[in-house]
Amino acid sequence: QVQLQESGPGLVKPSETLSLTCTVSGYSISSGYYWGWIRQPPGKGLEWIGSIYHSGSTYYNPSLKSRVTISVDTSKNQFSLKLSSVTAADTAVYYCARDDSGSYIGWGQGTLVTVSS
Amino acid sequence: EIVMTQSPATLSVSPGERATLSCRASQSVSSNLAWYQQKPGQAPRLLIYGASTRATGIPARFSGSGSGTEFTLTISSLQSEDFAVYYCQQYNNWPLYSFGQGTKLEIK
Repeated sequence: QVQLQESGPGLVKPSETLSLTCTVSGYSISSGYYWGWIRQPPGKGLEWIGSIYHSGSTYYNPSLKSRVTISVDTSKNQFSLKLSSVTAADTAVYYCARDDSGSYIGWGQGTLVTVSS
Repeated sequence: EIVMTQSPATLSVSPGERATLSCRASQSVSSNLAWYQQKPGQAPRLLIYGASTRATGIPARFSGSGSGTEFTLTISSLQSEDFAVYYCQQYNNWPLYSFGQGTKLEIK
C-alpha cells in the first residue's frame, strides 16, 4: 500500500520560503505516476499547487507559478515543495498526493503551515 | 483556467434519504471529473473518477453522473458516516487541475 507523509516546519515567517518534503513508501517514485501538492487554508476549500513527474517535469498553478518550485529526489523516494515570499494568505494545511491519471488516489495526512512573525 | 462551481454550498438531509450534489465546469471537461469526500481533520478521499467510476472500496450508494459541464454526485441512502464536505475536481485540462469550493452535507 502506498503511503505518503509530509514533513517540514510548522511555522514560517512572512517573506521567507516555505519548504516541505513528502516521503513516499510502498512504491518507488521512479516507477511512474505524477505526484502533487494541494493546500487548504483553514476553513476553506482545496487549491491545487502543482505536480511533478519522476523525470522532473513540473506543472504549476498559474496563480502561484512565480513563487513555487517542486522537485524530486528519487534516491530518497521523496518530492519537495518550496513556496517563496510567503504571506499570511499562505497559511494552510499542505497535502502531498499521488496522481493516478488525473485524480488523487492517495494522500498524505497533511501538515499545517502557519505564516506568522 | 477552468472554474468549478459546486451547489449548494450546504445541503441538509436526513439519514436514510437521498442527497444530490452538483458541480458545474466553466467549459467542457468531458468526463475528466473526480469527487472527493473530506471529514474534519482528515485528508480528502477519492470517491469517483471518470465522472462515474467508483474508486476501490467505495460503497455502491455513491454514484456519479454527467459529462461536459454538468455533473452530479448522488448518495442514495445517507448513512451517518456520509456527512462530510464533498469536492469535485476537473483534470481535463491536464496537468493543470482545479477544484470546486465544496458542498457541506449536514444532518437535517
